[in-house]
Amino acid sequence: AQTVTQSQPEMSVQEAETVTLSCTYDTSESDYYLFWYKQPPSRQMILVIRQEAYKQQNATENRFSVNFQKAAKSFSLKISDSQLGDAAMYFCAYQAYNNNDMRFGAGTRLTVKP
Amino acid sequence: DSGVTQTPKHLITATGQRVTLRCSPRSGDLSVYWYQQSLDQGLQFLIQYYNGEERAKGNILERFSAQQFPDLHSELNLSSLELGDSALYFCASSVEAYEETQYFGPGTRLLVL
Repeated sequence: AQTVTQSQPEMSVQEAETVTLSCTYDTSESDYYLFWYKQPPSRQMILVIRQEAYKQQNATENRFSVNFQKAAKSFSLKISDSQLGDAAMYFCAYQAYNNNDMRFGAGTRLTVKP
Repeated sequence: DSGVTQTPKHLITATGQRVTLRCSPRSGDLSVYWYQQSLDQGLQFLIQYYNGEERAKGNILERFSAQQFPDLHSELNLSSLELGDSALYFCASSVEAYEETQYFGPGTRLLVL
């Protein structure tokens, strides 16, 4: 069974600094998708970034980028120039190709200090 | 705003009761997913419907059921409620059945007393 592990329950970063959130996953599939979702205090789940496993290039969305290491089954999220609005729970998620049973990690709570 | 709507936002009920949660997907999306987020179990996939048909099933209890109607809105029915069913229930939608990014609604917070 596919599992997603986020080993950092909490992280903090100074405003304008850079922080990296870790995620590892376990799968025997070769084709899959990985996601980072953000859940602010409003509890809304907001898509941050998506990575297709067949793509070697790391996905980037403005200040958010990933470091996807397929062989190591690692998918970390880097947030640059952190802003107060980035404070939230961040969930890493895995979805196998042709299977919509999305698996989520336990989440990392990110605090941004002014 | 993802475009996915869920009603009600909050629901308080008693053990043994039955409730219905409603979800309207984004315009044009054919696929609807239901998730449960609880403190002890985290975020869990419950069930997926695509264009009215059940497509995938996750950790959904027998006391729970769902359906998707011709207008593509979906309802999640929870019966014989227990204290442990208290959770945030999310609906998500996507255009197609597979390989699609899922966009989440704001959730329905259920409290069973």
